[in-house]
Amino acid sequence: AQSVTQLGSHVSVSEGALVLLRCNYSSSVPPYLFWYVQYPNQGLQLLLKYTTGATLVKGINGFEAEFKKSETSFHLTKPSAHMSDAAEYFCAVSGPAAGNKLTFGGGTRVLVKP
Amino acid sequence: DTAVSQTPKYLVTQMGNDKSIKCEQNLGHDTMYWYKQDSKKFLKIMFSYNNKELIINETVPNRFSPKSPDKAHLNLHINSLELGDSAVYFCASSQGLLNQPQHFGDGTRLSIL
Repeated sequence: AQSVTQLGSHVSVSEGALVLLRCNYSSSVPPYLFWYVQYPNQGLQLLLKYTTGATLVKGINGFEAEFKKSETSFHLTKPSAHMSDAAEYFCAVSGPAAGNKLTFGGGTRVLVKP
Repeated sequence: DTAVSQTPKYLVTQMGNDKSIKCEQNLGHDTMYWYKQDSKKFLKIMFSYNNKELIINETVPNRFSPKSPDKAHLNLHINSLELGDSAVYFCASSQGLLNQPQHFGDGTRLSIL
């Protein structure tokens, strides 16, 4: 079975500072990896995904993530935080080893301080 | 145009009642899902349908019964509601499985009194 661990349930950053959200996965085969964002009282919105090919993936709103197979990680970064980035962020994995299901991490809430 | 729409947005009801949540997608996708998000924001898949066929059926009480009348619709009926059913239920859709992103509705907040 596959699983996803997001380190840190809450992250606080200052406006303009680097945003770094950590995600580690366990899988016996190369997985498909996703980051989703959830704004208050809304559904999840895809930020970016990794399936195959280039390991550095660029997404919407200035976010990017790098797939590192040796570290089984898929950390999400944004160089400069905006107030509008305050939300809940979910890392997720799918693939044959996960029974073709999307398995989510526990989420990381991002707070942006002015 | 809303891609994945769920109704109702809020549902407040008493223990023991039966209720339904409806979901419709206008993206032309062939796969639809139901997720449950608990009070700690943990998301877990409940069911998935591909071309109207049930393909994922997680360990969910049989009080929960999904129905897919066509590829664009997936409904969730819940019998004999319990306090623990209080959560936000999300519908999602995708084209195929595995590496295709899922598009989520805005959720139905179910509160059991």
